[in-house]
Amino acid sequence: EVQLVESGGGLVKPGGSLRLSCAASGFTFNSYSMNWVRQAPGKGLEWVSSISYSSSDIYYADSVKGRFTISRDNAKNSLYLQMNSLRAEDTAVYYCARDISTRPLFDSWGQGTLVTVSS
Amino acid sequence: EIVLTQSPATLSLSPGERATLSCRASQSVGSYLAWYQQKPGQAPRLLIYDASNRATGVPARFSGSGSGTDFTLTISSLEPEDFAVYYCQQRSNWPPITFGPGTKVDIK
Repeated sequence: EVQLVESGGGLVKPGGSLRLSCAASGFTFNSYSMNWVRQAPGKGLEWVSSISYSSSDIYYADSVKGRFTISRDNAKNSLYLQMNSLRAEDTAVYYCARDISTRPLFDSWGQGTLVTVSS
Repeated sequence: EIVLTQSPATLSLSPGERATLSCRASQSVGSYLAWYQQKPGQAPRLLIYDASNRATGVPARFSGSGSGTDFTLTISSLEPEDFAVYYCQQRSNWPPITFGPGTKVDIK
């Protein structure tokens, strides 16, 4: 069974940093692209970032470009999101999601981790 | 960036009724349109991909249609567990990957 478990969320002040992790199990992690998708409270889904299986291709939403860094460690079956210069508008539940296609299609999602940016 | 719009924002129906949800793209996405279901406090769940293909384990009462810019998700007869928010997502032209704003199907 595919499992994705996010961690690392919490309360951080504006301008602060946070590192999210996503532990994957139940599938061959190094064969899949992975993504972060977020959802602000009461709002819709917003794609944040994507990383290919080998880390050779990385993409970001304009809203986080230059502030967030996606990475992965295939030896540890883990996905990461380093978030710097956090803003109030980054407050959201952050989901990691497995991509099962060459064009993004998310068949498995974690339960999410809440990031709250507030003074 | 391809913008997706969904209508209606809220659909109030009774169990057993048919639900018809719309997703419109700002430019053609071919058939690269997916639908997700999200229940309160849960992660999204993939329902339909490539406009009309049901994902593994999705009941047959869910069907998708359309191509180009206009797409429809139909739930033939609503079950109590189908009351949720539904999002469309395009994967034709990315980045960015874009989602629609969602349609909430609630109990009338």
